[in-house]
Amino acid sequence: DVQMTQSPSSLSASVGDRVTFTCRASQSINRFLHWYQQKPGKAPSLLIYAASTLQSGVPSRFSGSGSGTDFTLTITSLQPEDFATYYCQQSYVTPFTFGPGTKVDVK
Amino acid sequence: EVQLVESGGGLVKPGGSLRLSCTASGFTFDNAWMSWVRQAPGKGLEWIGRIKSKSDGGTTDYAAPVKGRFTISRDDFRNTLYLQMSSLKTEDTAVYYCAIDRRILMIVGTITPIDPWGQGTLVTVSS
Repeated sequence: DVQMTQSPSSLSASVGDRVTFTCRASQSINRFLHWYQQKPGKAPSLLIYAASTLQSGVPSRFSGSGSGTDFTLTITSLQPEDFATYYCQQSYVTPFTFGPGTKVDVK
Repeated sequence: EVQLVESGGGLVKPGGSLRLSCTASGFTFDNAWMSWVRQAPGKGLEWIGRIKSKSDGGTTDYAAPVKGRFTISRDDFRNTLYLQMSSLKTEDTAVYYCAIDRRILMIVGTITPIDPWGQGTLVTVSS
């Protein structure tokens, strides 16, 4: 199975900050990497697919990059509604696997 | 509007069985590939498995922890996805989400992000 890791596991930030977190796959997954946002008590929602394509309706302050094994998600100016947990997921090969998540909370 | 509504969750004893349903609307269900994902309390997301559309073979894939115990099926007439769970263990306690495997043709191939998701149903396995 493809193992996904994310770092950091959590980070504290302020509104307006630029934040970047990373996702790493245990083998090359090309660009079959997606990012999800989850708020407490809610279902996850898709932010970015294919490593860098913004899902319709997602603000442009979110961006993704990477290919192969290393990927990043960047939020250029953190907004109050962005405090959440972010998961990466590979769909290169089944079983699809998620990273353990990065929780972004208020500094 | 796409809607996915899970039902059937509840309390079940270890070793027991339970069937979850996911009723779909707002899209052509019989063309869709569908996944189940779960989330244990306070934990991350875990992909359980997927079923392809019948036109694409209707095949299923499962994660190792549930293979042989869980079965994903679909009733395209009723626009409903099922997750039959048996030999349940305490570690199966989780919120279970159904979701669509979107298929997006890109240069690198067909990408399948999971979107959208239902609201989830809680399964508690406890004696």
